[in-house]
Amino acid sequence: GQQLNQSPQSMFIQEGEDVSMNCTSSSIFNTWLWYKQDPGEGPVLLIALYKAGELTSNGRLTAQFGITRKDSFLNISASIPSDVGIYFCAGPLRGKLTFGQGTILTVHP
Amino acid sequence: DVKVTQSSRYLVKRTGEKVFLECVQDMDHENMFWYRQDPGLGLRLIYFSYDVKMKEKGDIPEGYSVSREKKERFSLILESASTNQTSMYLCASSSGVGQGASYEQYFGPGTRLTVT
Repeated sequence: GQQLNQSPQSMFIQEGEDVSMNCTSSSIFNTWLWYKQDPGEGPVLLIALYKAGELTSNGRLTAQFGITRKDSFLNISASIPSDVGIYFCAGPLRGKLTFGQGTILTVHP
Repeated sequence: DVKVTQSSRYLVKRTGEKVFLECVQDMDHENMFWYRQDPGLGLRLIYFSYDVKMKEKGDIPEGYSVSREKKERFSLILESASTNQTSMYLCASSSGVGQGASYEQYFGPGTRLTVT
């Protein structure tokens, strides 16, 4: 069954708004990855986190590795239309990378 | 930059046909993966390979096989395509071996396969 739960499943926001999404697991992870998938393309790695409590930024994106090691958060500040896509969290489970179901982000100009 | 390419972006095949999906990476990565992506189900691992001529089953290997004759190339084979194999297929690669292997995977653009 699904080991990672992403929330929310979808978001409809106005350009300029900030976005928050999260990912929770029933297992402890030692790595969290965040990917973005543009429509019709493959996922692209945005941010990798390796330490509990770690906060890492990539432009307008900021991701955090939760202290409990069972969750992670991704924030996007001042959204723009090209932020549209599906955002996936991922983490290693039993030696393989496991993905969340994805958060579909729609940005209205 | 890592470059992962897939042989086709769109493919339409008939039920019962044998289908080959090709993936090539240019960063000398040891590890290669095949996933399928379906709405609401996220990415599911079909097969993966940590070395040439080596393959391991993922979570949903039934109806698929793979081939890795060269380090840079990983092929996914649908022995007899069925309509329930209509999906987006994604190839990925990553570096490192054993305990030093990286979980950072780099994906190709995907092949959208339709089986009629």
